[in-house]
Order: sequence, then C-alpha cells, then structure tokens
Amino acid sequence: SQQGEEDPQALSIQEGENATMNCSYKTSINNLQWYRQNSGRGLVHLILIRSNEREKHSGRLRVTLDTSKKSSSLLITASRAADTASYFCATITMDSSYKLIFGSGTRLLVRP
Amino acid sequence: DTGVSQNPRHKITKRGQNVTFRCDPISEHNRLYWYRQTLGQGPEFLTYFQNEAQLEKSRLLSDRFSAERPKGSFSTLEIQRTEQGDSAMYLCASSLRGISTDTQYFGPGTRLTVL
Repeated sequence: SQQGEEDPQALSIQEGENATMNCSYKTSINNLQWYRQNSGRGLVHLILIRSNEREKHSGRLRVTLDTSKKSSSLLITASRAADTASYFCATITMDSSYKLIFGSGTRLLVRP
Repeated sequence: DTGVSQNPRHKITKRGQNVTFRCDPISEHNRLYWYRQTLGQGPEFLTYFQNEAQLEKSRLLSDRFSAERPKGSFSTLEIQRTEQGDSAMYLCASSLRGISTDTQYFGPGTRLTVL
C-alpha cells in the first residue's frame, strides 16, 4: 500500500508559471523526499526535508512540510518545458525502516 | 557513467517462464533496494539489502520472487513462473550508509511484459 496521496493528479501550466503540488501522508515520518520521473525513465532525487524542518529551497524548488497536518508541498517557480514529468513524494517512516513509501504522483505538463 | 545500472532494460516473456534481472549499484553504496512500479502509480517497495544481508522484504514479494546480493555488490531479482500481473517496471536503487543515508539513487529500471 502507498503512504501518500498527491494532489492534483495532473497539472497543466504555461511555461514561466509556477507549479504547486501537494502530498499528504499517513504515519509519522523521519523525512520526506520529492522525486521526478520523466516518461519511461528512472527516478531523479530532487530534495529531502527532515521532520524537524519546515521549509527547504533548492534552485527553483521550494518544499514545505507540516507534520501536524501530515502534508508537504512542492513549488516549482518559473517553470520550463523541461520540467514536464511526473513528481512523486516519498517518505521514510519512524519505524527505522529505510524503505521509501511513495505517493501516487502528480503528472505535470508545462506548455511552451 | 557511475550511476545505478540495470539489465536488461526490457524483457518480454511468456507466462510461466522464469526471468532474472540484474542491478549494479553505485560502487561505494552498501544499501540496495528493489521497487516495482505499475503504470500510473508510484513505486512500491519490494526488498532491501545492507551489504549482502537481505534486511527487509515486502509482503508483495511472494514466494515466486527471490533476490540476492552475493558479496554485497550487484544484486539479482528472479521471478519464477511469471504471471501477467507481474508486468511492471522493476526499479533498483542504492544508497550509502552514513550521515546522509536517506537519498536513494535509482537506476533506469527493467520493464517486464508477461504475455
């Protein structure tokens, strides 16, 4: 079973606009990560935020984490056509397991 | 290229046949993970190794599935008596036990089609 739900399932925006994706999870976590997957290719790690952090930035990416609501958001600013991909949140839980538990993903289309 | 590699990239087989996939992790990484991903879904954890020890197995890993990591380097995932429901992308990832242990680096995957 999967840990999280992502919202929206699909998002279509114009190049230059910002894209926001949300992720909710069920159990207490050690950290939450965001991955990108281009069509038919492997997953690329984007950013990791630990349970004691509230916000993190990396380039055009901004991630927030609200552990009280068990939710996270990923903001991509000034989107580019190359950002078109599926985006997944994944958590590592507090039970000392190292496995990633993935959400169902948001499919982002950036129109040129 | 020093990333995670997987072979083959694609495998088409007939129901009932056995298949084996290989994963070569990043050389200094001591943890190795297998995940399965079906169309439109996020990856689901199957199993993971720390060095040569298989430390956790998902309930998804039926007795037809077996994974090994001899000598703590490459890993193989074998599926015996394949079923059509086994059709999926099989992803391998590796990570390094240390200060930043939680970033897993994924390979390109092996896409299995069972006819």
